[in-house]
Amino acid sequence: KAGVTQTPRYLIKTRGQQVTLSCSPISGHRSVSWYQQTPGQGLQFLFEYFSETQRNKGNFPGRFSGRQFSNSRSEMNVSTLELGDSALYLCASSFMVAGGYNEQFFGPGTRLTVL
Amino acid sequence: GDSVTQMEGPVTLSEEAFLTINCTYTATGYPSLFWYVQYPGEGLQLLLKATKADDKGSNKGFEATYRKETTSFHLEKGSVQVSDSAVYFCALSFSSGGYNKLIFGAGTRLAVHP
Repeated sequence: KAGVTQTPRYLIKTRGQQVTLSCSPISGHRSVSWYQQTPGQGLQFLFEYFSETQRNKGNFPGRFSGRQFSNSRSEMNVSTLELGDSALYLCASSFMVAGGYNEQFFGPGTRLTVL
Repeated sequence: GDSVTQMEGPVTLSEEAFLTINCTYTATGYPSLFWYVQYPGEGLQLLLKATKADDKGSNKGFEATYRKETTSFHLEKGSVQVSDSAVYFCALSFSSGGYNKLIFGAGTRLAVHP
């Protein structure tokens, strides 16, 4: 079974631009979560989508948004990029067993550099 | 709020040495606890987990026990290898409530020398 895939793997943008990152979960997984990893702030939760609905959101400004499609693929968008948005963006998927533990499987990440 | 604190790195060891990476947490309720590992240039891999107090998670020679009384989940390995060099993250989650949100510690870099 294929793992979580993220595209593109690397991106370079300039300040003020916007960017869209894509995540394809493991087949059958319906939950997709996004995390930002930076040297200064570490790993921080951005948001989670389940059945095309955002269920949980971290403490990030409104410039960070996302969506999920009917096939569970997810995209996240960052508008008006700032230098501080340079980070590794990780996507994780899980199957979602109701009332039980749900292991999250991570993709390799997208490395975004903002110049 | 909920948080995870783990020992600062880097931790530098010789091959076959004993490894301990300390992890403590603050949480309301009883979270599930995890150790993830990140190799250079890669995403995170789940190393082991424990979903309730006194559970011991183990994998690839690594172990950690969920200690509710000390709110700890220390990672141990009896004999490290060069291939264990990576960054290790302790994390908690209340995913059993129907939501997936991992809260991570800052990470501990481990370097193992031959």
